[in-house]
Amino acid sequence: AQSVTQLDSHVSVSEGTPVLLRCNYSSSYSPSLFWYVQHPNKGLQLLLKYTSAATLVKGINGFEAEFKKSETSFHLTKPSAHMSDAAEYFCVVSGPRGSGNTGKLIFGQGTTLQVKP
Amino acid sequence: DGGITQSPKYLFRKEGQNVTLSCEQNLNHDAMYWYRQDPGQGLRLIYYSQIVNDFQKGDIAEGYSVSREKKESFPLTVTSAQKNPTAFYLCASSISTGVRPAEQYFGPGTRLTVT
Repeated sequence: AQSVTQLDSHVSVSEGTPVLLRCNYSSSYSPSLFWYVQHPNKGLQLLLKYTSAATLVKGINGFEAEFKKSETSFHLTKPSAHMSDAAEYFCVVSGPRGSGNTGKLIFGQGTTLQVKP
Repeated sequence: DGGITQSPKYLFRKEGQNVTLSCEQNLNHDAMYWYRQDPGQGLRLIYYSQIVNDFQKGDIAEGYSVSREKKESFPLTVTSAQKNPTAFYLCASSISTGVRPAEQYFGPGTRLTVT
């Protein structure tokens, strides 16, 4: 079975400093992993995805994530935070079809990113 | 302009009334999904449909019903049997891939308040 744990419910950074949002996953199969962002009262927007190609994945708005199988982690980073990055971030895991997963995504509890001026 | 639309953005109902939330997509996606989001929680899957005229229960289907008569439409009915219907409801869609689940695209959401 697949599961995902976001290690911090709330992260606060200053504008211009690096961002690190941590995510660990558990999967019986080779997983697909995603990061989504949600601004208040909005839908979710895909930031990036990992699907067994390159382990370092680049996404939109300067975000990237590194898949580390040995650590079962998929942490999201950004070199320099911007005020507009303040939002809720979700780490998401899914397994391959044929495993009974049928395309369902498993969402983490979310990490709220606060960016201070 | 492709995407997913949900209407209305805000919805208010009295307890005991059924209410239907709309979800339409023009992305030509086969699969569609309904999620519920509560404060401080991740998304929980209510129902999903991988093809027209077929749908499956998700993790929290009790008190909800859906239909999938058209590829582009997947309405969700919140019935009076749902004990805690007040929540933010998100609709999503994706292509249907043969091997790996594809990323899902989300609508803007409907905030339902039942009093």
